[in-house]
Amino acid sequence: AQSVTQLDSQVPVFEEAPVELRCNYSSSVSVYLFWYVQYPNQGLQLLLKYLSGSTLVESINGFEAEFNKSQTSFHLRKPSVHISDTAEYFCAVRNAGGTSYGKLTFGQGTILTVHP
Amino acid sequence: NAGVTQTPKFRILKIGQSMTLQCTQDMNHNYMYWYRQDPGMGLKLIYYSVGAGITDKGEVPNGYNVSRSTTEDFPLRLELAAPSQTSVYFCASVRGDATDTQYFGPGTRLTVL
Repeated sequence: AQSVTQLDSQVPVFEEAPVELRCNYSSSVSVYLFWYVQYPNQGLQLLLKYLSGSTLVESINGFEAEFNKSQTSFHLRKPSVHISDTAEYFCAVRNAGGTSYGKLTFGQGTILTVHP
Repeated sequence: NAGVTQTPKFRILKIGQSMTLQCTQDMNHNYMYWYRQDPGMGLKLIYYSVGAGITDKGEVPNGYNVSRSTTEDFPLRLELAAPSQTSVYFCASVRGDATDTQYFGPGTRLTVL
């Protein structure tokens, strides 16, 4: 069985400040890791994913996440946030092999609120 | 290319009523999923399907049923609605490879009173 823990339910920050949203996972098999973003009253959109290779992955809007296998973490960071980054962020994992049928296990979500 | 579409967007049900949430994808994806989202709980998998005619239970299937007669459609049926089924429901699909991105619909907000 897998589990995902997002360590902060809410993160308030001021505009242009850096932010880190923390994610830890537990799994007995190799996993792929994902961050999804949900803007108010919308569905989830993929922000970035780690499949293999470089442990640092980046999104097109300035977010990055680093896969740390020894600490089983996949924290999301942005050096300078904007008002438009206000949203709920979900960390998720999926089995890298076997017959998982693409199923994702989600964390509880972190609400990022960016204040002017 | 509309992606994943869901209807209705909002619905209020009385206890004991039934309804079907519709989900359609036009990306020819093999796998489809239904999740429910409750505040502070993340998303929980209700049912999933790996192809037409093949469905299986997820983490929280009680009170729901699904069918998949075509690749495109994956309706979720609520029988005898209960207040505990008040939630936001998301349908999602993925082509099939473990590395593929899962695409989500806009959601259906359901209230059972």
